Amino acid sequence: DSGVTQTPKHLITATGQRVTLRCSPRSGDLSVYWYQQSLDQGLQFLIQYYNGEERAKGNILERFSAQQFPDLHSELNLSSLELGDSALYFCASSVGYRVGNTGELFFGEGSRLTVL
Amino acid sequence: GENVGLHLPTLSVQEGDNSIINCAYSNSASDYFIWYKQESGKGPQFIIDIRSNMDKRQGQRVTVLLNKTVKHLSLQIAATQPGDSAVYFCAENISPFRGSEKLVFGKGTKLTVNP
Repeated sequence: DSGVTQTPKHLITATGQRVTLRCSPRSGDLSVYWYQQSLDQGLQFLIQYYNGEERAKGNILERFSAQQFPDLHSELNLSSLELGDSALYFCASSVGYRVGNTGELFFGEGSRLTVL
Repeated sequence: GENVGLHLPTLSVQEGDNSIINCAYSNSASDYFIWYKQESGKGPQFIIDIRSNMDKRQGQRVTVLLNKTVKHLSLQIAATQPGDSAVYFCAENISPFRGSEKLVFGKGTKLTVNP
């Protein structure tokens, strides 16, 4: 158990809909990262938040947004869903904001999104 | 469990053999590299890391080798066990601009250990 909690574990929805994925980081971790894992793209970095502020941005679509709340949990909002958005969405957390200093990211077990 | 990365490179070894998983990274300025293991239905799990000022680092049954000249990383697993069966990802730490970093993952290699 990594200590990172993600909900829901599975989600099935239709094209055009909007969903929210939730992540609670490990106790004491200030950084939260979101990754998308699909069969053909591997693990794609979406966005990082540190202590409530956006820290780094990856290949995140404009239809997607995220935020980190004062209690450090984070939500990833996916809107106008398309079939190609079907994937596993992982949240990870770390103590600091610099991966190069902190090293290890702790990953949750993911939220599997299926768009029909 | 779930199969992730059905189109991944695969490596099949016999239990007790040594495994070598290779990774080519993209950015010559990357200064930090990590290997992750992802078992079916789970999130990636840290195995070992190495900084760019090192060529080799050893852990328990695992060794990471870094060749910066050809931008190549490898993970060696000694005496591979059935529990080592998983998808293995290398990741490089990239700084797109000062003060910002992101961990970029490779495609992954699926390791299958045969008893």
